[in-house]
Parts: sequence; C-alpha cells; structure tokens
Amino acid sequence: DQQVKQNSPSLSVQEGRISILNCDYTNSMFDYFLWYKKYPAEGPTFLISISSIKDKNEDGRFTVFLNKSAKHLSLHIVPSQPGDSAVYFCAAERGFGNEKLTFGTGTRLTIIP
Amino acid sequence: DSGVTQTPKHLITATGQRVTLRCSPRSGDLSVYWYQQSLDQGLQFLIQYYNGEERAKGNILERFSAQQFPDLHSELNLSSLELGDSALYFCASSGGGGPDTQYFGPGTRLTVL
Repeated sequence: DQQVKQNSPSLSVQEGRISILNCDYTNSMFDYFLWYKKYPAEGPTFLISISSIKDKNEDGRFTVFLNKSAKHLSLHIVPSQPGDSAVYFCAAERGFGNEKLTFGTGTRLTIIP
Repeated sequence: DSGVTQTPKHLITATGQRVTLRCSPRSGDLSVYWYQQSLDQGLQFLIQYYNGEERAKGNILERFSAQQFPDLHSELNLSSLELGDSALYFCASSGGGGPDTQYFGPGTRLTVL
C-alpha cells in the first residue's frame, strides 16, 4: 500500500526555469510533510517542510504547496540550477508519537544547462 | 553535514553472517530512526527509538534488531544475512517531541555475497 506517491520517476528542466515536483498521499492522518534531496550513495538532505495547518512554505528558491483537500503537495524550485540535479523524495509524517516518515519513491530531476 | 554519523560506510559480508551498524544522532536529539533503501526503491522505515525505548516498528524482519544506548547512539543488528538484505541502511535523528525534521546520516552500504 503506497501511501505516498510520486508518479513522475523523472523530470528534465532547463536551467533557469521552474521545476515542479509533485506528490500525492492517501492517508488523511498525515499532518507534516517534508521534501528531501538525495545524491547517489549519500543520505537524504532535508530541503523544506510544511505543516498541515499551512498551505504554503517558502525558503529561498524552494516553495512547497499543500492542498489538503486534494491530498497533494508540490515542490517548486525557481530558478533551477545544475546543482539541483538529484533525486527528490516527498515524505509524510503523522506527528506526535508516530513520527516515522513514509517516503514516496522519488523523482529524478535533471537540470539541463 | 547533518550531524548524524554512521559507521561503517561500507560493509561486505557473506550469507548467514551477522553484522552491526552504528549510528550517532545529532547532539540533543532523542529519537533515532532506521531506514532501508534497496536498489532503486524508496526508503522503508524499519524502527524508531526514543530516549532508549522502542517507539515504533515498521517493516523490520525478525532477523533484524536494534537498540539505543544511554548515550543515545543506536545499533542495528542484522543476522542470518541473505542476498536480499543488500541495501543502503540510513539512520536519522530528530528531537522526537512531535512533528519534526529528521536529519539523515550518510548511510551504510551493506553488500551480502
């Protein structure tokens, strides 16, 4: 049962343009969402998070949008840079007392110079 | 650098053997999580410890066990190893007091021959 889904295994974007990565979830008990970036053979690096009480969170070039009614979140990267090329994982958490992360399968983002 | 350390970085062993993976969380973090990433798959939650006590269990095999010591470092023990146990094993830590960002270590790559 894949509770967190990233339906696009890969995405290619021109340098300088906007990258939009999508994530859907099925468990309405999730109340905290995170995006991680991962390079091969390294641990995931935290990028940005959002609580279910918000619909948007911004940190520099990264913005995460949450649509609770649609059970959908997206990560916007603008402008995209070559160093952004990596695998991006969406993760969800149920919060206090049950903090394990449920990960999506990842989207490989390639920024084309 | 996330502040989470894992040793060893690589481990090669034979089927039927037993290995121990070690994790030191970020200073002050009480929760430690273990995740497994098999080839080209997402991260699967194995187990969580909070201040020395087991808090949550995921898809962890009976051949696997973990513990968290008084100094808060954690060890994941894998026994009767099979070829299919070859994977990246990640440790993460967080404050553990509620929805919180988990910071990941660099991982241990286990190869079972």
